[in-house]
Amino acid sequence: EAQVTQNPRYLITVTGKKLTVTCSQNMNHEYMSWYRQDPGLGLRQIYYSMNVEVTDKGDVPEGYKVSRKEKRNFPLILESPSPNQTSLYFCASSSPGQGATIGQYFGPGTRLTVL
Amino acid sequence: AQKVTQAQTEISVVEKEDVTLDCVYETRDTTYYLFWYKQPPSGELVFLIRRNSFDEQNEISGRYSWNFQKSTSSFNFTITASQVVDSAVYFCALSDSLRFRGSQGNLIFGKGTKLSVKP
Repeated sequence: EAQVTQNPRYLITVTGKKLTVTCSQNMNHEYMSWYRQDPGLGLRQIYYSMNVEVTDKGDVPEGYKVSRKEKRNFPLILESPSPNQTSLYFCASSSPGQGATIGQYFGPGTRLTVL
Repeated sequence: AQKVTQAQTEISVVEKEDVTLDCVYETRDTTYYLFWYKQPPSGELVFLIRRNSFDEQNEISGRYSWNFQKSTSSFNFTITASQVVDSAVYFCALSDSLRFRGSQGNLIFGKGTKLSVKP
């Protein structure tokens, strides 16, 4: 089954404790991205990657890091989480050469609370 | 600048009423995609439709229909005979090739419309 998986699904942590949210896709997609969703703001892009070792900032990158060492994985790293990073996070993937995949594949979401 | 506006923050209807969710978009590109997503209380994003800018035909899928009008830059979503299970937040989104060098993978989301359908 074609899917994007995220782990963990729920996480409660404390300020300053480094954490990683994993994202993996099994569709050989080149493009992956991370979004955060906050009440009243919709989803906003944090970082994206157009292929292995190619990443770039989205609209709200501050406080986050990413890496793309393998095509299937795109982890989101919070080196020193703060309460304003409490949010619902979504990973997405698609393939630029396959129009039918654009916007269709999102992970199930990770609900992060930073105390 | 690329932008998606969902002017209706919250809508409340009674079951079996028809309801239309508005979406207005801005883009300088001539090639773009428009999307609608449903987010039920469980939190996942459910993909409903993708429409490319060259296809202005309206679409119907069961009780759902979409009205794409390039002249007014709108992509409205109508639910006919609403049901309690339609209660969710609905997002409209835009993806265009200017957003990042032709890949068309990034989506710009509206702020969402919360639909409550009461029995």
